[in-house]
Amino acid sequence: AQSVTQLGSHVSVSEGALVLLRCNYSSSVPPYLFWYVQYPNQGLQLLLKYTTGATLVKGINGFEAEFKKSETSFHLTKPSAHMSDAAEYFCAVSGYRTGGGADGLTFGKGTHLIIQP
Amino acid sequence: DTEVTQTPKHLVMGMTNKKSLKCEQHMGHRAMYWYKQKAKKPPELMFVYSYEKLSINESVPSRFSPECPNSSLLNLHLHALQPEDSALYLCASSQGYRGLSNQPQHFGDGTRLSIL
Repeated sequence: AQSVTQLGSHVSVSEGALVLLRCNYSSSVPPYLFWYVQYPNQGLQLLLKYTTGATLVKGINGFEAEFKKSETSFHLTKPSAHMSDAAEYFCAVSGYRTGGGADGLTFGKGTHLIIQP
Repeated sequence: DTEVTQTPKHLVMGMTNKKSLKCEQHMGHRAMYWYKQKAKKPPELMFVYSYEKLSINESVPSRFSPECPNSSLLNLHLHALQPEDSALYLCASSQGYRGLSNQPQHFGDGTRLSIL
């Protein structure tokens, strides 16, 4: 079974500072990994995904993530935080099911990003 | 603007009521999902429909009954719910090609359900 662990339930950074949100995965097969953001009273918005190919993945709003198989990590970064980045961030993995087909996502517990002015 | 539309946005119901949640997408996706999200928790998978057939039921109580009338529409019928069922219910869709689960899921804004 696949799983993800997000380190730090809350991360606080100053506006303009580097954002680093950590995610480690556990998977017996090559994983499909995703980062989603959730603003209050809204659904989840896809930031970026890793499936195969390039290990440095660029997403929306200036975010990027690097897949590191040796470290089983998929950390999310942004060079310069903006006040509008304050939200809940979820790392997720999509699994395999016997017989193939669509599968649900398994989410980490989430990291609440706080931006200090 | 989200491409997955959920109605209603808010729903308050008693434990004896019957209600339905609706989800619609027009992206041509063939996989659709229901998730339940409690406050300050991550979403948890409930059901997966693939090509209009129920493919995954994560041991959800029978008081939740999903339905997929066509490839664009997904319903969740509710009956005799309990107070602990109060949560945000999220619908999602993905391309869902057979054998592939690497397509990203697109989420609606959810229905916030309160059980009195």
